[in-house]
Amino acid sequence: GNSVTQMEGPVTLSEEAFLTINCTYTATGYPSLFWYVQYPGEGLQLLLKATKADDKGSNKGFEATYRKETTSFHLEKGSVQVSDSAVYFCALRIQGGSEKLVFGKGTKLTVNP
Amino acid sequence: GAGVSQTPSNKVTEKGKYVELRCDPISGHTALYWYRQSLGQGPEFLIYFQGTGAADDSGLPNDRFFAVRPEGSVSTLKIQRTERGDSAVYLCASSFRARETQYFGPGTRLLVL
Repeated sequence: GNSVTQMEGPVTLSEEAFLTINCTYTATGYPSLFWYVQYPGEGLQLLLKATKADDKGSNKGFEATYRKETTSFHLEKGSVQVSDSAVYFCALRIQGGSEKLVFGKGTKLTVNP
Repeated sequence: GAGVSQTPSNKVTEKGKYVELRCDPISGHTALYWYRQSLGQGPEFLIYFQGTGAADDSGLPNDRFFAVRPEGSVSTLKIQRTERGDSAVYLCASSFRARETQYFGPGTRLLVL
């Protein structure tokens, strides 16, 4: 089946630290890959996406590269801010298949000043 | 412009009761999705509507769950004979068309006592 595994949280960093949140996937077809973010008290928002191998998605200083050979889509940011504190979800959708998003369990990030 | 809205924001009910959860998608969005998020988990797909019809209801856990979208806009998720295990946050999302970015609402937190 289709599934997403992301690193267990919570993750606690100091401001300006480097962030990596690992995400790997299993897919029966060719997936599009996504990172969603949920800020405290808000709904899920799309952070970035990539639709084919070697594509890099980027937004708000976050980046993730679609690695087909390692079935991974790790999220990175060079210098986190307190405002980045949120829960981050990795997700996939099979191209040409169902419309549904398949999510990982989420990783809670706390950034301290 | 208004985002996806969901009502009520919180619902407490007793085991065995019937509940209805409402979703107002972004105006003009033809696709609508329901997901369920249990504590500590990522969202899990329930059902997807394209227009008025349910294009994929493979995520509905059993026949106590039913959803409608009679005019292709507002959708209602209906749960009969609620059980304690139905307690979760129910998320609604919409997209302009299939295959496009899904925008999520804030969710309805359902607690079954």
